[in-house]
Amino acid sequence: GIQVEQSPPDLILQEGANSTLRCNFSDSVNNLQWFHQNPWGQLINLFYIPSGTKQNGRLSATTVATERYSLLYISSSQTTDSGVYFCAVNTGNQFYFGTGTSLTVIP
Amino acid sequence: DAGITQSPRHKVTETGTPVTLRCHQTENHRYMYWYRQDPGHGLRLIHYSYGVKDTDKGEVSDGYSVSRSKTEDFLLTLESATSSQTSVYFCAIRDRTYNEQFFGPGTRLTVL
Repeated sequence: GIQVEQSPPDLILQEGANSTLRCNFSDSVNNLQWFHQNPWGQLINLFYIPSGTKQNGRLSATTVATERYSLLYISSSQTTDSGVYFCAVNTGNQFYFGTGTSLTVIP
Repeated sequence: DAGITQSPRHKVTETGTPVTLRCHQTENHRYMYWYRQDPGHGLRLIHYSYGVKDTDKGEVSDGYSVSRSKTEDFLLTLESATSSQTSVYFCAIRDRTYNEQFFGPGTRLTVL
């Protein structure tokens, strides 16, 4: 299967700071998604982004499929951004997840 | 909200007992998935289904079986639960139009 690596594994930010999370994958993919798992365990869809750049409020994502990586940008972080961020890639019928970046935003 | 529910939401059972988890969806999606989530591993695919009675294995399928007799229900069965199967189990659907996955709320299973 495809290997998916996320970095950094852990991140602590002061409220208001910006951050960049990275997702590298080992082979060509059909799809890439970013998820946020909140402290209650719920998985929330952030972006469906097989290529290009998308923005949603303070969050944006860029995928460079030819170089096999994606970046998630969080600007002006808030305490509600805390949780774990996962990227997942799809090839054929299966999806492969990275091990996540655990983000803690301190007031 | 992709209309996905999981039951039960929490379960404690003993080693050697059979356990069945249910995933129910209301939007007629063809593809459904079962994952387990463990610390340090992210989410790993157990089994998936691409239609009624059509299923296939994922990367961690040993010790699990699945069934899909109706489009809306995808069942995950642990025939004889072991402590290594203590985990949080997530069901997902795949929106065929956008090739995007959406997840249910999860089931926390503890095997004593």
